[in-house]
Amino acid sequence: DADVTQTPRNRITKTGKRIMLECSQTKGHDRMYWYRQDPGLGLRLIYYSFDVKDINKGEISDGYSVSRQAQAKFSLSLESAIPNQTALYFCATAGTGSHEQYFGPGTRLTVT
Amino acid sequence: DAKTTQPPSMDCAEGRAANLPCNHSTISGNEYVYWYRQIHSQGPQYIIHGLKNNETNEMASLIITEDRKSSTLILPHATLRDTAVYYCIVRVNSSYDKVIFGPGTSLSVIP
Repeated sequence: DADVTQTPRNRITKTGKRIMLECSQTKGHDRMYWYRQDPGLGLRLIYYSFDVKDINKGEISDGYSVSRQAQAKFSLSLESAIPNQTALYFCATAGTGSHEQYFGPGTRLTVT
Repeated sequence: DAKTTQPPSMDCAEGRAANLPCNHSTISGNEYVYWYRQIHSQGPQYIIHGLKNNETNEMASLIITEDRKSSTLILPHATLRDTAVYYCIVRVNSSYDKVIFGPGTSLSVIP
């Protein structure tokens, strides 16, 4: 089984709809991250969390919200989706003090 | 976190060494150099990191210049499966250890 899973893997939604992307991990890591990737660009950080009670905005948090329901789960919500949120979304985890981040397989989101 | 500069693309013949450069002239003394790679639309994968000394693991070698202003990732015997975008990242490994990815280098391994 994969250490970091994301659901759904692909989603098409309409403008104005609320959508939630979910991330789960079995690595026991405290730290979790949400990134988005647009074609030809690197990854940009949306939100990150260092434990269940700690949520921090990243570079591009506008239009997004997150919830850290448990150590193993970190959800990303788009309250009212817009077309320029069409992107590939990645969840990642890291252990405290670790040099390595582990990434999930990604969710391809299309907003029409 | 210090900014990095990488060539947008490179080619390498299969079986040869791939040498991917990265400039980080504004690196601070407590910042590490990290390399990740992303195979087409998959999640990025950690490769290696270093602070001052050269490092080697089962995937690659990392050569950091003495002044730490640049580094080179070496894949000793590139295979077609090494075709990917390679990201050089410089950051402090502290509590605020978010990773900032730039556009990276797209490496094509050619048969």
